[in-house]
Amino acid sequence: GESVGLHLPTLSVQEGDNSIINCAYSNSASDYFIWYKQESGKGPQFIIDIRSNMDKRQGQRVTVLLNKTVKHLSLQIAATQPGDSAVYFCAEDGNQFYFGTGTSLTVIP
Amino acid sequence: DAGITQSPRYKITETGRQVTLMCHQTWSHSYMFWYRQDLGHGLRLIYYSAAADITDKGEVPDGYVVSRSKTENFPLTLESATRSQTSVYFCASSEWTASRQETQYFGPGTRLLVL
Repeated sequence: GESVGLHLPTLSVQEGDNSIINCAYSNSASDYFIWYKQESGKGPQFIIDIRSNMDKRQGQRVTVLLNKTVKHLSLQIAATQPGDSAVYFCAEDGNQFYFGTGTSLTVIP
Repeated sequence: DAGITQSPRYKITETGRQVTLMCHQTWSHSYMFWYRQDLGHGLRLIYYSAAADITDKGEVPDGYVVSRSKTENFPLTLESATRSQTSVYFCASSEWTASRQETQYFGPGTRLLVL
């Protein structure tokens, strides 16, 4: 079956530093990937997505990198702020969406 | 624009009771989904619907029933609640364009406790 995993369950960064959250996926046929942010007590919130025909996509303070060769996805958050503290998880779309278990990001003021 | 809403937000019930969780979206998205979220498992798909009157099982459908008589509503029913169904339930919706699914947007969740 599908598996979408994250390299680290927790990540702590200093305010102002850049954060990198990683994700591995197993289905080489997946062609659409999404990063979600989930704050405590709330539903997942869309951050950024990328199609398999791209290697990189940038948003506001966030960048997603896709390495199809090693089936790896990363989310980079620039100048991390306290409001970025949340659980981040990736999702891949094979014939169905599969979600990782998440990385908990803590921003230290 | 309300987006996607769920009700109730919190529910406590007893084993064996029937419980219905409601989901409503205002975007007219064709696809709707129900997930449960448990520690260590991430989001697991229970059921999904591609359109009104079309539903299909996901990864963990046992003990759940869904219906979709209207595009905007997708209720999830636990016919006879069990303690193992204690979880946080999320509804999501998405659209299909050019033969591919677009981003799923999630509701705020329903926290269900089965005693």
